[in-house]
Amino acid sequence: KQEVTQIPAALSVPEGENLVLNCSFTDSAIYNLQWFRQDPGKGLTSLLLIQSSQREQTSGRLNASLDKSSGRSTLYIAASQPGDSATYLCAVTVGGATNKLIFGTGTLLAVQP
Amino acid sequence: DGGITQSPKYLFRKEGQNVTLSCEQNLNHDAMYWYRQDPGQGLRLIYYSHIVNDFQKGDIAEGYSVSREKKESFPLTVTSAQKNPTAFYLCASSIRLLNEQYFGPGTRLTVT
Repeated sequence: KQEVTQIPAALSVPEGENLVLNCSFTDSAIYNLQWFRQDPGKGLTSLLLIQSSQREQTSGRLNASLDKSSGRSTLYIAASQPGDSATYLCAVTVGGATNKLIFGTGTLLAVQP
Repeated sequence: DGGITQSPKYLFRKEGQNVTLSCEQNLNHDAMYWYRQDPGQGLRLIYYSHIVNDFQKGDIAEGYSVSREKKESFPLTVTSAQKNPTAFYLCASSIRLLNEQYFGPGTRLTVT
């Protein structure tokens, strides 16, 4: 059974710092991996999607990497800003007959001004 | 503006009543999904539909029902059989199965 874990559960950093969020999954048979951002009481915003054949994706100050063989992904945020404060979720898509996203429980990020 | 809309944002119901949550998308996506989010837990899949007039149960379908009569609409009914209906409900869509999913703003349902 696929399980997704995110460490740390919460993180507080000063503005301007570079940071890394971690995501691990137990079964390497994934179709893709998505990173999302969720603000309090809001829906999810898709940040990056990495196909299983890819190693990384970049969007602005965000860079996500994927190592399928070790079951790990990282989200790197450069030059963090207070507006980056949110919960970050990773989710893996397991294939077969369903497009099923398995979510981690998220990392709550606070960037202090 | 293209996107996914969910209404209402907040919904309050008495125990024993059925309630229907709306989800509409104008992205021309074939696949739509319903998730439930509870504090301290990841999102869990309730139902999904990969095409009009077809839908499948997810991990926690008991006490819920859906319909997919139109491509752009995927309403979720929370029935009185759902033991713990109070939660944040999120709708999502993707072009096809296995593609990137996009989420709506969510509906917070409180049942007392």
